[in-house]
Amino acid sequence: KQEVTQIPAALSVPEGENLVLNCSFTDSAIYNLQWFRQDPGKGLTSLLLIQSSQREQTSGRLNASLDKSSGRSTLYIAASQPGDSATYLCAGLEYGNKLVFGAGTILRVKS
Amino acid sequence: DVKVTQSSRYLVKRTGEKVFLECVQDMDHENMFWYRQDPGLGLRLIYFSYDVKMKEKGDIPEGYSVSREKKERFSLILESASTNQTSMYLCASSFSGQGALDTQYFGPGTRLTVL
Repeated sequence: KQEVTQIPAALSVPEGENLVLNCSFTDSAIYNLQWFRQDPGKGLTSLLLIQSSQREQTSGRLNASLDKSSGRSTLYIAASQPGDSATYLCAGLEYGNKLVFGAGTILRVKS
Repeated sequence: DVKVTQSSRYLVKRTGEKVFLECVQDMDHENMFWYRQDPGLGLRLIYFSYDVKMKEKGDIPEGYSVSREKKERFSLILESASTNQTSMYLCASSFSGQGALDTQYFGPGTRLTVL
């Protein structure tokens, strides 16, 4: 059974720092790996989707990489801002359109 | 823009009550999903549906049922609410066309408290 782990569970950084969030998964048979953002009390917003045949995706200050062979994905946030404060979730898409989520990393960017 | 709406943002119910959570999407998506989210556990899949009148159990279906009579609407039913069903419930939908290319779009969530 697929298990997704995110490290660290929480992170507090000063504004302007570059940071890396980590995601690992136990079963490499995923169709894609997605990163979501969740603000307190709200739903999830998709940030980046990396297909299984891809190595990385970029959107603005965000870059996500995928290494299926090692079962790892990273989300890189450049020049962090207080508005980046949120919970970041990674999820692998399995057969049958089922997403398996990690527990998330709570990010706080201090001004 | 894809829009997924949920009938209530906050709901308080008593133990033993029958509870209905409604989800509507406006993008003609085939797939719809119900998750619950608890601190430290992430999102866990309760039920999902590939098409009207079709449903599949997710990882934690016990104590729940679902209904999909129309393509745009997916209902989650707690037959007899219990305190351990206090949680945040999230609905999502996705297009079924190209598998790996399709992200899921989430509603704002319903925070259910069972007293």
